[in-house]
Amino acid sequence: GAVVSQHPSWVICKSGTSVKIECRSLDFQATTMFWYRQFPKQSLMLMATSNEGSKATYEQGVEKDKFLINHASLTLSTLTVTSAHPEDSSFYICSAPLAGEVGELFFGEGSRLTVL
Amino acid sequence: GENVEQHPSTLSVQEGDSAVIKCTYSDSASNYFPWYKQELGKRPQLIIDIRSNVGEKKDQRIAVTLNKTAKHFSLHITETQPEDSAVYFCAASIYGGATNKLIFGTGTLLAVQP
Repeated sequence: GAVVSQHPSWVICKSGTSVKIECRSLDFQATTMFWYRQFPKQSLMLMATSNEGSKATYEQGVEKDKFLINHASLTLSTLTVTSAHPEDSSFYICSAPLAGEVGELFFGEGSRLTVL
Repeated sequence: GENVEQHPSTLSVQEGDSAVIKCTYSDSASNYFPWYKQELGKRPQLIIDIRSNVGEKKDQRIAVTLNKTAKHFSLHITETQPEDSAVYFCAASIYGGATNKLIFGTGTLLAVQP
């Protein structure tokens, strides 16, 4: 199957700082990547759809100026949490489908963010 | 907006028994329904999926059924084993403008008691 790698796997930062999370497709090209957020014991909530070479599409209620997404190449998407606050502490996980019709999403390992 | 409801939120069964998890979706245009298994702190892993042109699909101890008219689908696990213990998520495809995306259900914590 396809492999998606995410980095870092965990990060602790101070309130007010920014944190960047990288998501890479290792053995396929991903024109689209999806960023999800998962709070403890909750579901995967879609935050945004990252599109290579164009602006990301954000879900309702997700602040685009706070969660900056860049998809500069066919194998890399980044999520930057700007001016992080404790309520942003969560498990952030990216995923990507293979090109073509809708199908399986391949998930990264996830990044656990803790904001102090 | 589109949503996916999942029941039950927790399920405890004895080893060897069957487990059934049910989901309903709201968008009649949804055409892809995967089930993912997530162990604590790990990434979700696809265990089975079904498309709208099929009513049932089986893979060894796991099966999924789809009722498009009622807009619900179910996961069936037979002969459960302790290693089946995890959180299970259903999902439904939603066409969001330029691309299809997956909306996940709320999850079911399955505990298989040895």
